[in-house]
Amino acid sequence: QSALTQPRSVSGSPGQSVTISCTGTSNDFGVYNYVSWYQQHPGKAPKLMIYDVRKRPSGVPDRFSGSRSGNTASLTISGLQAEDEADYYCCSYTGSSVLFGGGTKLTVL
Amino acid sequence: QVQLQESGPGLVKPSETLSLTCTVSGYSISSGYWWGWIRQPPGKGLEWIGSIYHNANTYNNPSLQSRGTISINTSKNQFSLKLTSVTAADTAVYYCARDGGSYDFCNWGQGTLVTVSS
Repeated sequence: QSALTQPRSVSGSPGQSVTISCTGTSNDFGVYNYVSWYQQHPGKAPKLMIYDVRKRPSGVPDRFSGSRSGNTASLTISGLQAEDEADYYCCSYTGSSVLFGGGTKLTVL
Repeated sequence: QVQLQESGPGLVKPSETLSLTCTVSGYSISSGYWWGWIRQPPGKGLEWIGSIYHNANTYNNPSLQSRGTISINTSKNQFSLKLTSVTAADTAVYYCARDGGSYDFCNWGQGTLVTVSS
């Protein structure tokens, strides 16, 4: 079972928007909308940013938004801030197991 | 506030069994939710290992080929991971986490580095 495909890196300037894609097969996402996104700063545990494709846990800024079209899920970060620089991972429930993406390093220029 | 804390040996010899425990505070694991183990090799991405429910039902990553076993001890508010026949490829930071109900991991432990080496 291969990881979901994410770009290795993306970048943007403060105030701009960036979108991170997460691509898999129909089997990787199943018939469910259980897609989540995690932010991980160096040396820290991951933090849940988006669940159920587009829902934000309490405390996560509304600058973070999620979407899904077919076998591609996306995380969009608008109004980039320096503290958004981190690794981001997508995650899906396949119907029988949980699958993470390979991760994307976001650089804020 | 749910808090999780991993514990266990930081060094395991090749071919031996890796054993870790996650102690949960701020929530009684017998009340519900799934609880999971995720690992991250140095410099690499996240890999889900498996998850367990309070009634001891489990589901595991098939790529581990049945080497992983997750158990739960509700009286101690802990759940555990055993990974057999380890190799250097099992060297990773191991995290325990709570599944919020949508196969999303909403609370994480700080992680513990396990190195497989002789």
